[in-house]
Amino acid sequence: SQQGEEDPQALSIQEGENATMNCSYKTSINNLQWYRQNSGRGLVHLILIRSNEREKHSGRLRVTLDTSKKSSSLLITASRAADTASYFCATARSGSARQLTFGSGTQLTVLP
Amino acid sequence: GAVVSQHPSRVICKSGTSVKIECRSLDFQATTMFWYRQFPKQSLMLMATSNEGSKATYEQGVEKDKFLINHASLTLSTLTVTSAHPEDSSFYICSARVGRMDEKLFFGSGTQLSVL
Repeated sequence: SQQGEEDPQALSIQEGENATMNCSYKTSINNLQWYRQNSGRGLVHLILIRSNEREKHSGRLRVTLDTSKKSSSLLITASRAADTASYFCATARSGSARQLTFGSGTQLTVLP
Repeated sequence: GAVVSQHPSRVICKSGTSVKIECRSLDFQATTMFWYRQFPKQSLMLMATSNEGSKATYEQGVEKDKFLINHASLTLSTLTVTSAHPEDSSFYICSARVGRMDEKLFFGSGTQLSVL
């Protein structure tokens, strides 16, 4: 069942600005992951944050996790036109077969 | 990173025909592969978990006789949409983990199925 809800559904920014996307989930998790999908393509893994971590960085990406609020955010700094894509959070539930449940996604458009 | 190859990327077929989609792990062995379905501007819905050498595990509401999954080797899983109808038109994506304990997924590039 769909567990993650993301907001905003769509986000349009100028190149160079920062983009923040949020994800909320409902059950206890083992980890939370963010993926990127270009239109009509498969997904690419961006970053994973474990349930005992609060913040993680990878290049221009910064992910936070608040397990008490069951929410996560993905920040893309100094955005580029090439960052235009859909971004999905995915949760791996505690004690599950490690299947991932994907959020509803945020469509990010970075205008040149 | 690991490469998952999915073919075909796009297929158009007539209603009533069957379509086979292949998902291959090119540089690793995948004991488990996952098949997802995605409607336009929506999220991925897990259809089934494909296990090498055994029967696939289907999610609730997914017809196993409609969506046949075969995982005959450690590098190949196939999804066959049998007697396709226009409502089966969708984007189908496969994914796999490199190792049993690996937590991230590597995805194929997806197959856009259009049933006329």
